[in-house]
Amino acid sequence: EAEVAQSPRYKITEKSQAVAFWCDPISGHATLYWYRQILGQGPELLVQFQDESVVDDSQLPKDRFSAERLKGVDSTLKIQPAELGDSAMYLCASSRDRVAFFGQGTRLTVV
Amino acid sequence: GEDVEQSLFLSVREGDSSVINCTYTDSSSTYLYWYKQEPGAGLQLLTYIFSNMDMKQDQRLTVLLNKKDKHLSLRIADTQTGDSAIYFCAETPNSGYALNFGKGTSLLVTP
Repeated sequence: EAEVAQSPRYKITEKSQAVAFWCDPISGHATLYWYRQILGQGPELLVQFQDESVVDDSQLPKDRFSAERLKGVDSTLKIQPAELGDSAMYLCASSRDRVAFFGQGTRLTVV
Repeated sequence: GEDVEQSLFLSVREGDSSVINCTYTDSSSTYLYWYKQEPGAGLQLLTYIFSNMDMKQDQRLTVLLNKKDKHLSLRIADTQTGDSAIYFCAETPNSGYALNFGKGTSLLVTP
C-alpha cells in the first residue's frame, strides 16, 4: 500500500540552528501539505502545494520557514534559525480528489 | 479558518459503542473526515463523508452528518482497547482543499 514517506522521524536541534525535513508523497498525488501539530492540539496548515506551485502559505512564518517542491514530487521544509517554540510534530500529507493521506511525521525538539 | 470543535475526552468500556461528536461552522464545507492518531504517530484516515450524504457505514464505523446543525459524529461499534487513540474531525471548505482540524477527542477504552 502506497504511503507518504517522511524523514527523519525524530530530530533534536539546538536553538538558532538550521533544520530540514523531507517528504515524499504518494505517487500521482499533485497536492502536498505541510502541517504543524503542537502537543495536545490539532494539526495546523503551514503550506500547501499544487504540483510545484504554492497554493497557500499564509500561515508559514516566512522569516524563518521555507518550503519547496521543485519538481512537483518530493518536498523539503526548512527552519532557520530554529526557536524553542518550534518544538512540534511536522506532518506531511498528500492528496488526490480531496482525500488526504499523512506520513508518520517528524518530531522536532529544539533545546 | 472556521472553527471545528470536539469534546476533549471520552472513556468507554471494551465492547460498548463509542460516539465522538464534532461541530463545524463553515456551511460551505463539502467533505468531512475522521482521522485517528496513535501516540507518536501520524494521522490515519478512518473515513470521510460528502456533504450530500447523511450517513456512511464502514464495518464498525458509522458516520452521521446533520448539515442543518453542522454536526458530525463517529460511532465505533464493539469498541476495543486498540481503538484507544485521539480522533480528529476535519473539514474541507469549498474555497480550498486544505483540511481544517479540530483539537481532537482522546478516546480511552477500558477492559
